[in-house]
Amino acid sequence: EAQVTQNPRYLITVTGKKLTVTCSQNMNHEYMSWYRQDPGLGLRQIYYSMNVEVTDKGDVPEGYKVSRKEKRNFPLILESPSPNQTSLYFCASSLSLWGALGYGYTFGSGTRLTVV
Amino acid sequence: DQQVKQNSPSLSVQEGRISILNCDYTNSMFDYFLWYKKYPAEGPTFLISISSIKDKNEDGRFTVFLNKSAKHLSLHIVPSQPGDSAVYFCAASGTGNQFYFGTGTSLTVIP
Repeated sequence: EAQVTQNPRYLITVTGKKLTVTCSQNMNHEYMSWYRQDPGLGLRQIYYSMNVEVTDKGDVPEGYKVSRKEKRNFPLILESPSPNQTSLYFCASSLSLWGALGYGYTFGSGTRLTVV
Repeated sequence: DQQVKQNSPSLSVQEGRISILNCDYTNSMFDYFLWYKKYPAEGPTFLISISSIKDKNEDGRFTVFLNKSAKHLSLHIVPSQPGDSAVYFCAASGTGNQFYFGTGTSLTVIP
């Protein structure tokens, strides 16, 4: 089944403890992206990647890192999480940027992160 | 600053009637627009898109209208069904590689 898989689905952590949210897609998609969803703010783009080793900042990149060493994986790294990073996170992928424009993303099911 | 706005947080419609969800944008450089649907505990799923060279795109019960001069798009669902109850996000993109999403409208279709 074609899908985007995020892990974990739920995570509670403490301020300052480094964590990684994994994202993997099995569709050979080039374009991948991370979003966070917050009440009243909708979905905001954190980072995106056009292809392997090509990443760029979205609207709200502060406090996050990403890497794209293989086409299928796009992990989101929080080096020193803070309570304002408590949010619902979504990974998404598309065959290409043009695919994302015309046919939309495939989203993962989300990771609910709480930082205390 | 929110470049894509959905000013109605919620909408209730009777089954069989038309649902109209609205979206406004501020950036005149946007030229691709998409609608996504989201159920609780799931990721958004792509619904329909439109490019700025068109003013209408239809897919079954779903039609998206684009008014470039007003920087406004709308999603029409006819007829509305209870299974359409979800949160709907509009999204836009322009010459860059980024997408901008609205805040979402929660649609409830009453049987």
